[in-house]
Amino acid sequence: QKEVEQNSGPLSVPEGAIASLNCTYSDRVSQSFFWYRQYSGKSPELIMSIYSNGDKEDGRFTAQLNKASQYVSLLIRDSQPSDSATYLCAVNPPKTSYDKVIFGPGTSLSVIP
Amino acid sequence: EAGVAQSPRYKIIEKRQSVAFWCNPISGHATLYWYQQILGQGPKLLIQFQNNGVVDDSQLPKDRFSAERLKGVDSTLKIQPAKLEDSAVYLCASSSTAANEKLFFGSGTQLSVL
Repeated sequence: QKEVEQNSGPLSVPEGAIASLNCTYSDRVSQSFFWYRQYSGKSPELIMSIYSNGDKEDGRFTAQLNKASQYVSLLIRDSQPSDSATYLCAVNPPKTSYDKVIFGPGTSLSVIP
Repeated sequence: EAGVAQSPRYKIIEKRQSVAFWCNPISGHATLYWYQQILGQGPKLLIQFQNNGVVDDSQLPKDRFSAERLKGVDSTLKIQPAKLEDSAVYLCASSSTAANEKLFFGSGTQLSVL
């Protein structure tokens, strides 16, 4: 089993809709979770981090974490064409004494005007 | 605040040739990462430095890849000899020493091996 898994997509949603991106991870005791956005031809940039079970909201973005289910998601409300990008889920596994960030394969999102 | 600097931006070489990439992290960031991102995939960690020491190189193909971070600041990643499957974007990232700090990425080097 891969450490971090995501639906590869592409996921297409109409403008103004809610986009839901999902991620599962294999290490039950992982503690830190991140969502990065990567535009085509660009480098990843952090948009959300979450460490505790529940929801964390930042503007139009909501990250949801369920450690019991080893599941983290990202909701994008009122999706805009500018949200079209690949979204990378990343996990910091606790096995190591240093911070190591493992990325999933990414989900491609397309917001249709 | 200056970001992570990488060079070159693009590189085209033939298989069996050698190539080197350079990275200068954000000032004061102790942790430096090199990731390989093949088209359509997520970034794969090749090597991670804490200051000038290697803390993880478990996925670095050591028969052809090498990396160093002298004086705990900038870093170079070398491939010798290159193979076709090395065609990818090589991303350098840095973070501070605090736990759970976010990664700041450079613009990457797109390598094409012909």
